Amino acid sequence: DSGVTQTPKHLITATGQRVTLRCSPRSGDLSVYWYQQSLDQGLQFLIQYYNGEERAKGNILERFSAQQFPDLHSELNLSSLELGDSALYFCASSARTSGISNTGELFFGEGSRLTVL
Amino acid sequence: AQKVTQAQTEISVVEKEDVTLDCVYETRDTTYYLFWYKQPPSGELVFLIRRNSFDEQNEISGRYSWNFQKSTSSFNFTITASQVVDSAVYFCALSEALTGANSKLTFGKGITLSVRP
Repeated sequence: DSGVTQTPKHLITATGQRVTLRCSPRSGDLSVYWYQQSLDQGLQFLIQYYNGEERAKGNILERFSAQQFPDLHSELNLSSLELGDSALYFCASSARTSGISNTGELFFGEGSRLTVL
Repeated sequence: AQKVTQAQTEISVVEKEDVTLDCVYETRDTTYYLFWYKQPPSGELVFLIRRNSFDEQNEISGRYSWNFQKSTSSFNFTITASQVVDSAVYFCALSEALTGANSKLTFGKGITLSVRP
């Protein structure tokens, strides 16, 4: 158990719809990362938040957005869904502190599997 | 830009065989970190090892060993006496120099390892 919690584990929806994926990082971790895993693209970095602020952006579509709340949990919002958005979405956390004790590895949740029909 | 190449896509071995998973990386950073993650059929991503660019010592952990060679930009992973439970997808990943706020990982495409009884 990595300590990162993602909900829901599975989600089936239709094209054009909007969904929200939720992530609770490990206790005390300040950074949250979102990754998308699809068969053709592999594991793609979407976005990172650190202590409530967006810190880095990857291959995230404009239809997707995220935020990190004061309690450090994060939500990934996916809208106007397309068939190609079907994927496993991972949340990861790291960095309990901002100092040298950050050993760099990300701790991943079990993922949210999104199926768009 | 950072890049991780895992040229092998699928490997199948018989139990008790040794198997090496290759990883080649590209980065312009002089300080960087390399990781291996395991994704078993259940789907979660499990952290296996982290190595920083200044430490070229090979590491052994039980049946697992890692060979880091800066000269060839490779960070290969060997499983000795493989077992059926080793069947999984294995990802190599690269991170730029760490700060407390940033551990974004760039992943390779992954290698699917099947260990047959």
